[in-house]
Amino acid sequence: GAVVSQHPSRVICKSGTSVKIECRSLDFQATTMFWYRQFPKKSLMLMATSNEGSKATYEQGVEKDKFLINHASLTLSTLTVTSAHPEDSSFYICSARDRDYNYNEQFFGPGTRLTVL
Amino acid sequence: GQNIDQPTEMTATEGAIVQINCTYQTSGFNGLFWYQQHAGEAPTFLSYNVLDGLEEKGRFSSFLSRSKGYSYLLLKELQMKDSASYLCAVTDSNYQLIWGAGTKLIIKP
Repeated sequence: GAVVSQHPSRVICKSGTSVKIECRSLDFQATTMFWYRQFPKKSLMLMATSNEGSKATYEQGVEKDKFLINHASLTLSTLTVTSAHPEDSSFYICSARDRDYNYNEQFFGPGTRLTVL
Repeated sequence: GQNIDQPTEMTATEGAIVQINCTYQTSGFNGLFWYQQHAGEAPTFLSYNVLDGLEEKGRFSSFLSRSKGYSYLLLKELQMKDSASYLCAVTDSNYQLIWGAGTKLIIKP
């Protein structure tokens, strides 16, 4: 159980375009989902925390107008990178917390590698 | 501020034992996680400690001392596939997960 999927796994786009990444909890309900970014050989950086039915909470330095997060249901959150630029190229990982779990483990999706040309 | 420290890189020999240490200073404590991350992949859960002591799970064990703000991950009978980064993460009083930078473990034959 506790599987999280992400789609797409890889995406290459031109500078200036927008890219949407989906994160789904397949066999549990996730009231909270997290979006991370990871640059090569660096640790995970939390971008935002997304709660179902409410606005996402962004970490300091993360532009909310550039990284649009929607958490419309208990099993789906989306991250849209708007007007992507080469510096946005990174590994984007989502995670979800099972609302019925009694401790705070986060289950991770497989990640999406974004390359902006 | 909140801080988690772990060594940047460690090297060990196949079949041996290695201990990866993690020290933390956070505002509150609601548990400590260890995750394994292979290059180009997302992290996978290894262990969770919220009480002092040792948790054993197969070849991997994790220890916690809350009074010392200290944990370690012990890997026994090392295999080549254990080459990965190992991430220590602490849940603070707001249930926010604070991440360490990770320890890259290199296994040599």
